[in-house]
Amino acid sequence: QQQVKQSPQSLIVQKGGISIINCAYENTAFDYFPWYQQFPGKGPALLIAIRPDVSEKKEGRFTISFNKSAKQFSLHIMDSQPGDSATYFCAAGNDYKLSFGAGTTVTVRA
Amino acid sequence: KAGVTQTPRYLIKTRGQQVTLSCSPISGHRSVSWYQQTPGQGLQFLFEYFSETQRNKGNFPGRFSGRQFSNSRSEMNVSTLELGDSALYLCASSLAGDGGSPLHFGNGTRLTVT
Repeated sequence: QQQVKQSPQSLIVQKGGISIINCAYENTAFDYFPWYQQFPGKGPALLIAIRPDVSEKKEGRFTISFNKSAKQFSLHIMDSQPGDSATYFCAAGNDYKLSFGAGTTVTVRA
Repeated sequence: KAGVTQTPRYLIKTRGQQVTLSCSPISGHRSVSWYQQTPGQGLQFLFEYFSETQRNKGNFPGRFSGRQFSNSRSEMNVSTLELGDSALYLCASSLAGDGGSPLHFGNGTRLTVT
């Protein structure tokens, strides 16, 4: 049973454009929502995270929007750069473990 | 500060064999988690250890086991390997592993079962 659903599976964006990735979760006990970035041959690296008492968090070009009532959260990548081409995973956590979304492969075209 | 170190990076084993993977967490981190990553199932939680105690376990068969040592280093073992065990095995460490402490992943061990 997939506890975190992520979409789209892949997306292509032009350099300077905005990438948007959406996630939905079921378990209302989740209280920590991180996003990870993974490059080929590397482990996932923490990008940005949010807790349910905050509706939005911004770090540089990356913004998380969180809608507790809808049980949804999203990642916005502003001014996308070719170096942002990677796979992005959303996750939701509690009780010492994270449940991950299936991942979104982002390709930024120069 | 050094990151999470996993050894070996690559392993090739035959069905029926067993394998042990090793993980050294970031200095000061007491929680170590293990995840399996496959193209079909994505990232799936195996288990988590804190102060040598397993606190949580995912939905994997008993062939998958792990342990943590007093220096927080961890090992995971897979016995009676099956073809479907071929995957990238990721170790992650965090300060407290309370579900809210950031997880820091290693680069994984790529296991191929033939």
